[in-house]
Amino acid sequence: ETGVTQTPRHLVMGMTNKKSLKCEQHLGHNAMYWYKQSAKKPLELMFVYSLEERVENNSVPSRFSPECPNSSHLFLHLHTLQPEDSALYLCASSRDSNSPLHFGNGTRLTVT
Amino acid sequence: AQSVTQPDIHITVSEGASLELRCNYSYGATPYLFWYVQSPGQGLQLLLKYFSGDTLVQGIKGFEAEFKRSQSSFNLRKPSVHWSDAAEYFCAVGSGGYNKLIFGAGTRLAVHP
Repeated sequence: ETGVTQTPRHLVMGMTNKKSLKCEQHLGHNAMYWYKQSAKKPLELMFVYSLEERVENNSVPSRFSPECPNSSHLFLHLHTLQPEDSALYLCASSRDSNSPLHFGNGTRLTVT
Repeated sequence: AQSVTQPDIHITVSEGASLELRCNYSYGATPYLFWYVQSPGQGLQLLLKYFSGDTLVQGIKGFEAEFKRSQSSFNLRKPSVHWSDAAEYFCAVGSGGYNKLIFGAGTRLAVHP
């Protein structure tokens, strides 16, 4: 149990589908993050939320839409994805900007 | 711009042998440096970090890393590798503490019995 839970663990979707990834942290942290891990590429920071406010958006295409309704939950809404969006999507949380990141186990996304 | 290079994509060592994983970074100021480990099907776990002070830092699972400013390196070491250390290892640099980490591409470690 990492304290950061991601669901689903695996997701297969077509390019016209709409789906959402969910992340929940039980650590009382105030910051949450989405990272993308593609094969043969370094982890890429996508979004950062601090106290439910988005503080970082690393030029991510609009087909990825994050939502942070409270400090314990983070969603990534997906629509009209491309096959190159297939990757492992990792959620992380931290107490604040100067505290360690705690990662979830990720959602393996395949876009067909 | 910040960047992190891990020159070795794959490394294979025998159980009980020593290990050194290389990491070079590019950053204008004093960096915050991290090593993470990822086992198959898992997220990333922090092994150790360097913010300031002693350039030799100790981490979990018997790992240590040494910050060498002159070489822009932060290599990870372990004196005796265990089979359970087989995993992928990521070096990262951060400009603002733990936030906004820039990761290297990773080094996959295999351990032979």
